[in-house]
Amino acid sequence: EVQVVESGGGLVKPGGSLRLSCAASGFTFSSYTMNWVRQAPGKGLEWVSSISGGGDYIYYTESVKGRFTISRDNAKSSLYLQMNSLRLDDTAIYYCARVHSGYSGFAPWGQGTLVTVSS
Amino acid sequence: DIQMTQSPSTLSASVGDRVTITCRASQNIIIWLAWYQQRPGKAPKLLIYKASTLESGVSSRFSGTGSETEFTLSISSLQPDDFATYYCQQYNSYPYTFGQGTKVEIK
Repeated sequence: EVQVVESGGGLVKPGGSLRLSCAASGFTFSSYTMNWVRQAPGKGLEWVSSISGGGDYIYYTESVKGRFTISRDNAKSSLYLQMNSLRLDDTAIYYCARVHSGYSGFAPWGQGTLVTVSS
Repeated sequence: DIQMTQSPSTLSASVGDRVTITCRASQNIIIWLAWYQQRPGKAPKLLIYKASTLESGVSSRFSGTGSETEFTLSISSLQPDDFATYYCQQYNSYPYTFGQGTKVEIK
């Protein structure tokens, strides 16, 4: 079964750091672009970052540039999001999602991990 | 950045109704548009990609049309499981962007 499972969320103070992980299984991880998408409480979906299969192409939404770093370890079939200088408005469920195939949207998605930034 | 605007924001309908949701892009995104369904407390689920291609395993009651800047998602006969929030997403260029969502409620 193709699946991705996030972990690493939690409560952190403003200015703090957190590292999210996403464990993938059921597919050749290195062949797929991977993504992070977040959803603030009661709000819509926001794309955060993407990384190509080989890790050579990386993109971020403007609000996290310079603070978040996406990375992957293809040997471990794992995706990461290092989040530094966290702000109150980073509070959200963070989803890991694979590009479905070719140029075709995101699937599957993980169940999400909640990041709460609060003093 | 490409802005995605969905309408309506909320839609009230009954079981068996046909409903249509519209998504407009601020620039030409060709056909690089996906639709997702999200039920409360759950992760989004891919329904349609490349504007009109039905994802495997998704009911044929769902259909997508459109190109360039105007797209629609239709549900031919609403079922109880279809009451959820629907999002469009453009993946023509980074930063990828989502519409604000359309909540389909029971009338």
